[in-house]
Amino acid sequence: KAGVTQTPRYLIKTRGQQVTLSCSPISGHRSVSWYQQTPGQGLQFLFEYFSETQRNKGNFPGRFSGRQFSNSRSEMNVSTLELGDSALYLCASSGPSGSYEQFFGPGTRLTVL
Amino acid sequence: AQTVTQSQPEMSVQEAETVTLSCTYDTSESNYYLFWYKQPPSRQMILVIRQEAYKQQNATENRFSVNFQKAAKSFSLKISDSQLGDTAMYFCAFTLLIYNQGGKLIFGQGTELSVKP
Repeated sequence: KAGVTQTPRYLIKTRGQQVTLSCSPISGHRSVSWYQQTPGQGLQFLFEYFSETQRNKGNFPGRFSGRQFSNSRSEMNVSTLELGDSALYLCASSGPSGSYEQFFGPGTRLTVL
Repeated sequence: AQTVTQSQPEMSVQEAETVTLSCTYDTSESNYYLFWYKQPPSRQMILVIRQEAYKQQNATENRFSVNFQKAAKSFSLKISDSQLGDTAMYFCAFTLLIYNQGGKLIFGQGTELSVKP
């Protein structure tokens, strides 16, 4: 079974631009969670989608948004990029309800100049 | 608020020896899962071991085992017969067993483990 895939793997943007990151979960997984990883703040939860609905949200500004499609693929969008948004963005998928293990993708490294 | 604390930012161990990584957590909930993840230099996050809070028996996965003390809110990871491939950042995490919280992992700051030949 293929693992979680994320595209693109690397991105360079400038301040004020917007960016869209994509995540394809493991086949059959309906939950997708997103995390931001930085040296200073560590791993922080952004949001989780289940069956196309945002089920949980972390403490990030409204510039961070996401969505999930009917095939469980998910996208996250960051508008009006700031230097502090430079980070590794990880997505993770988990299986049927009651299965709480999360399987992570390789991440997207975003650099904001 | 739920928090996870890993008090050892860095540790090192000789190959073939045993090392224990510490983790404490704080939550007022009683139903949750605890995890240890490893993140090698490739940055790929890999699940090492899982512990259900309602289980008293400590989880074991090959060379990896945990010491789960629910009353003390402690969840340490023991790595036996350390191998060079165990070199990685190790994160302790937990998730609440509540419908709208199940997709949220709360992570500690990590312990960077170096296995030396």
